[in-house]
Amino acid sequence: GIQVEQSPPDLILQEGANSTLRCNFSDSVNNLQWFHQNPWGQLINLFYIPSGTKQNGRLSATTVATERYSLLYISSSQTTDSGVYFCAGRPNTPLVFGKGTRLSVIA
Amino acid sequence: DSGVTQTPKHLITATGQRVTLRCSPRSGDLSVYWYQQSLDQGLQFLIHYYNGEERAKGNILERFSAQQFPDLHSELNLSSLELGDSALYFCASSLQQGAGEKLFFGSGTQLSVL
Repeated sequence: GIQVEQSPPDLILQEGANSTLRCNFSDSVNNLQWFHQNPWGQLINLFYIPSGTKQNGRLSATTVATERYSLLYISSSQTTDSGVYFCAGRPNTPLVFGKGTRLSVIA
Repeated sequence: DSGVTQTPKHLITATGQRVTLRCSPRSGDLSVYWYQQSLDQGLQFLIHYYNGEERAKGNILERFSAQQFPDLHSELNLSSLELGDSALYFCASSLQQGAGEKLFFGSGTQLSVL
């Protein structure tokens, strides 16, 4: 099946810093989503982005489908951004998740 | 709030027991997915139902079963529980299937098998 690799596995930021999280896929996907799991365990859908670029406040995402990767940008990070960020994709099967990037934002 | 409701939030039980996890999808959503999240395996897909019919199976053990009822709520039944079944179990729902599908997750059921 499809493999999803996320990098970096862990990231520590000072409040106000910017960051880029990456997601690589072993095969083409026609559905790609980014999720944030907050410290309370809730999984929140951030973006549905099979291709192109989208922005939502301080967060934006870009997917280059032909090269099988996606990037999540977090600008002016806040302590509430802490948690684990997952990307997930599907070719013809239910969403396959990466192992996530654990982000800690320090005040 | 995603609109997906899972109960109970926490469940503590003993090995060998059987439990039922319940999920109510967002209003209008026909698809229900179950995922298991453990520390060593990450988020693993278990099973998918669409409008009452099973559509896909993932890494679901034979001791586990699920169904989706006519009112579209779903239940995941876990039997002969083992210590290794301790995990966070998520339900997710979506309106459509296929490429354009966007998943919304419930808050999960934390299962502890002692």
